[in-house]
Amino acid sequence: AQKVTQAQTEISVVEKEDVTLDCVYETRDTTYYLFWYKQPPSGELVFLIRRNSFDEQNEISGRYSWNFQKSTSSFNFTITASQVVDSAVYFCALSEALDSSYKLIFGSGTRLLVRP
Amino acid sequence: EPEVTQTPSHQVTQMGQEVILRCVPISNHLYFYWYRQILGQKVEFLVSFYNNEISEKSEIFDDQFSVERPDGSNFTLKIRSTKLEDSAMYFCASRETTGVNEQFFGPGTRLTVL
Repeated sequence: AQKVTQAQTEISVVEKEDVTLDCVYETRDTTYYLFWYKQPPSGELVFLIRRNSFDEQNEISGRYSWNFQKSTSSFNFTITASQVVDSAVYFCALSEALDSSYKLIFGSGTRLLVRP
Repeated sequence: EPEVTQTPSHQVTQMGQEVILRCVPISNHLYFYWYRQILGQKVEFLVSFYNNEISEKSEIFDDQFSVERPDGSNFTLKIRSTKLEDSAMYFCASRETTGVNEQFFGPGTRLTVL
C-alpha cells in the first residue's frame, strides 16, 4: 500500500539556519512521482516540486534543494539560510503511475517555525 | 498566471443542511480533484473526476457526497446532509492530462458545520 511518512511534526529554527525536512515513502509501483507542497498560515497549498521515480538527480532552486534517494525511499527537502517567510506546514506527497487518477497521497506534514 | 478558484472561502451551515462548494479549475486542465483537510491534520483525497465522470473515490466519499461539472468551467462538490465531522477545509485541484503533471490547488473553502 502507498504511504508517506513525515516523522518530524514540528521544527523550530532561528533565521539563517539550514533545515532539512524528512520524507519517507512506501509504494509497490515501479513508476511513481513525489511532490512537496507548502501550506503557509493563509492556508493555501503551494506546489514546490515534482520528482519522477526514474530521475534521481537532486535539484536546487534558490535556497531550496531536494535529495531523492530510491535506496532509502526518501525525498528530503532542505532550506538553506531559512527566513521567517519560510514558516509554514510542508507536505510531502506521492502519486503512482498504476493509479489512473494520479491522486496525491499526502504525509502528515511538518510545521516549520523560523524565528527571527 | 492561471489559477484554481473556489467559492465561498468560508461556509457555515447547520447540521443536516446541504452545501455546495464551487471550484473553477484552470481552463485547459481536464483532471479535477477534491481533497479535504480536517483542522491540523493531513490532506486527504476525496474524489477524482475526468471526462465527466468519477475516476476514483475514497472511502470518505460516501453517498452523502456528489460531484458535478454542470458547465464548461465549474466543478462542484455537494454534501447532501452535513454532519459535524464534515467540518474541514475543502480543496479543489486540477491538472493537465498530458503526461504526469503537478496538481494545482485552489485556496480552499473552510466548511463549518454547527
